Amino acid sequence: NAGVTQTPKFRILKIGQSMTLQCTQDMNHNYMYWYRQDPGMGLKLIYYSVGAGITDKGEVPNGYNVSRSTTEDFPLRLELAAPSQTSVYFCASASGSSTGELFFGEGSRLTVL
Amino acid sequence: GQQLNQSPQSMFIQEGEDVSMNCTSSSIFNTWLWYKQDPGEGPVLLIALYKAGELTSNGRLTAQFGITRKDSFLNISASIPSDVGIYFCAGQGSGTASKLTFGTGTRLQVTL
Repeated sequence: NAGVTQTPKFRILKIGQSMTLQCTQDMNHNYMYWYRQDPGMGLKLIYYSVGAGITDKGEVPNGYNVSRSTTEDFPLRLELAAPSQTSVYFCASASGSSTGELFFGEGSRLTVL
Repeated sequence: GQQLNQSPQSMFIQEGEDVSMNCTSSSIFNTWLWYKQDPGEGPVLLIALYKAGELTSNGRLTAQFGITRKDSFLNISASIPSDVGIYFCAGQGSGTASKLTFGTGTRLQVTL
């Protein structure tokens, strides 16, 4: 059982480049999330989705886009990379029950130079 | 956005010591959760609390949901080297698609 899988694990981008962080889960969870983690700042919610075809902004959505065409996949797109987007990105999923438990991937470390 | 203030920011303790950390919020939460993050990994759930005043244990870990619903506490007894990591509190409001608001984390270092 793989859980939540993120790719790539590491990436270096130049300012202005675009890329997509991939996230897939095999737990048939309806809810999926993207968080970013900056040193000493905890995790901030970027975007989330409550099901295929439905996405919504979190706390820090600027500079990012998402799509949810299937239950399993929730890619995060950076269109014009900026140094402020240097961070560790975590994808997570949840069943939508009341337990509040999110299952996280291992993270993707992105550096924008 | 909502802010969760977590303290202390970091702790250096000796193996066998007990650890306490807490989290306070400017808003009320319906659920409080405590996660642990090991280096290079994503956070993993340790304990979830669902009712004000609730006290829940998971092995050497004990957590409490504050009466005001604006705070929570985590205690670790008899720390061991594998307790090293970053501990995050998280709060969940009502009708929020299970979205969590995370604290800033407490980094725990254990010396032998």
